[in-house]
Amino acid sequence: AQSVTQLGSHVSVSEGALVLLRCNYSSSVPPYLFWYVQYPNQGLQLLLKYTTGATLVKGINGFEAEFKKSETSFHLTKPSAHMSDAAEYFCAVSESGNQFYFGTGTSLTVIP
Amino acid sequence: GAGVSQSPRYKVAKRGQDVALRCDPISGHVSLFWYQQALGQGPEFLTYFQNEAQLDKSGLPSDRFFAERPEGSVSTLKIQRTQQEDSAVYLCASSLRPVRLNTEAFFGQGTRLTVV
Repeated sequence: AQSVTQLGSHVSVSEGALVLLRCNYSSSVPPYLFWYVQYPNQGLQLLLKYTTGATLVKGINGFEAEFKKSETSFHLTKPSAHMSDAAEYFCAVSESGNQFYFGTGTSLTVIP
Repeated sequence: GAGVSQSPRYKVAKRGQDVALRCDPISGHVSLFWYQQALGQGPEFLTYFQNEAQLDKSGLPSDRFFAERPEGSVSTLKIQRTQQEDSAVYLCASSLRPVRLNTEAFFGQGTRLTVV
């Protein structure tokens, strides 16, 4: 069975500070892993994904994530937060590629 | 079109009323997904189409929910005899090929359904 756990439903960081959003997954086979961002009243936008190959994945807007199989984690990071990063972030896992399982989301607030 | 389009954006239904939610995927996209996102929750899978074939409907919560994609493009999610617990944002996504083939899924803005 697949599932995703996002630790921390709300995260606040100061502008310019490191962003770290945590995601742990469970999967019976090597998974595909995704991070999506959702701005208010908008659809989900893909930030980055891991399918195979390099475990450090770079995405849009300066975000990156590292797949750590031993820790079953796929944490999202950004070295320096911008005000425009304030949004809801969802981690998702897929085994088949035809169905995503999403976490409950982490709301990121950036403090000026 | 340029992206996945969903209509209506907002729908208020009286309990017991039937509703139909429409999704226009990106032209040429083979795969189409429906998700339900309750307030404060992550999206939950409802159903998946590959062209006109509904390959997975394991996430549909009851037989009041029905989805179709008769010509392999536009899809409709129908909810019969709506109940208050159906209130949620319904998200549609499409992808060029099955996502395991290293393509991404593009999401629409969703339809916010409120059952009163």
